Amino acid sequence: NAGVTQTPKFRVLKTGQSMTLLCAQDMNHEYMYWYRQDPGMGLRLIHYSVGEGTTAKGEVPDGYNVSRLKKQNFLLGLESAAPSQTSVYFCASRNHRGGDTEAFFGQGTRLTVV
Amino acid sequence: GENVEQHPSTLSVQEGDSAVIKCTYSDSASNYFPWYKQELGKRPQLIIDIRSNVGEKKDQRIAVTLNKTAKHFSLHITETQPEDSAVYFCAARAQYGGYNKLIFGAGTRLAVHP
Repeated sequence: NAGVTQTPKFRVLKTGQSMTLLCAQDMNHEYMYWYRQDPGMGLRLIHYSVGEGTTAKGEVPDGYNVSRLKKQNFLLGLESAAPSQTSVYFCASRNHRGGDTEAFFGQGTRLTVV
Repeated sequence: GENVEQHPSTLSVQEGDSAVIKCTYSDSASNYFPWYKQELGKRPQLIIDIRSNVGEKKDQRIAVTLNKTAKHFSLHITETQPEDSAVYFCAARAQYGGYNKLIFGAGTRLAVHP
């Protein structure tokens, strides 16, 4: 049982390049989230999904797109990376059954845009 | 949408003292309030949570209180130890229809000095 796994762990991009971050969970969770973590700003929600085939905007969605084609995977895409997107990205998943449940986080992806 | 404010941003205490971190939220529909601890270089992990129908919850040295009328909740750590040093995040979750955002505060960096 791996929990929540993010790929890659580190990446350096040039301005304007595109990339996709992959989040995979093996806990059969319905809800999945993408956050970015910046110093002094905590964890800010980018996009989230309440189930396969659904996505919704969070607090800071601009410049990012997401897809949830399979229940276990939640992809975060950057179409044209900007230096302002330099951050640590965390994916999390939760199970909706049984009411409120713990969000399990991946190990994070450190992205630098130069 | 939900907005969560957290204070203080940094907190320094002597080992054995108590530490208190406070959060306020804006969305009256929020009904679930978890607290996460993030050690340096690691992923956030749940340490305690409280639901809106409960005013206080304790787990050994950790307690959380909730005042729904005032829309604020607090984390209390007693008899602090050096291993309590970490960044602590509060969060609030409102759920209605397809809306299920988990919004975090900006974090509090707690340093416990021996």
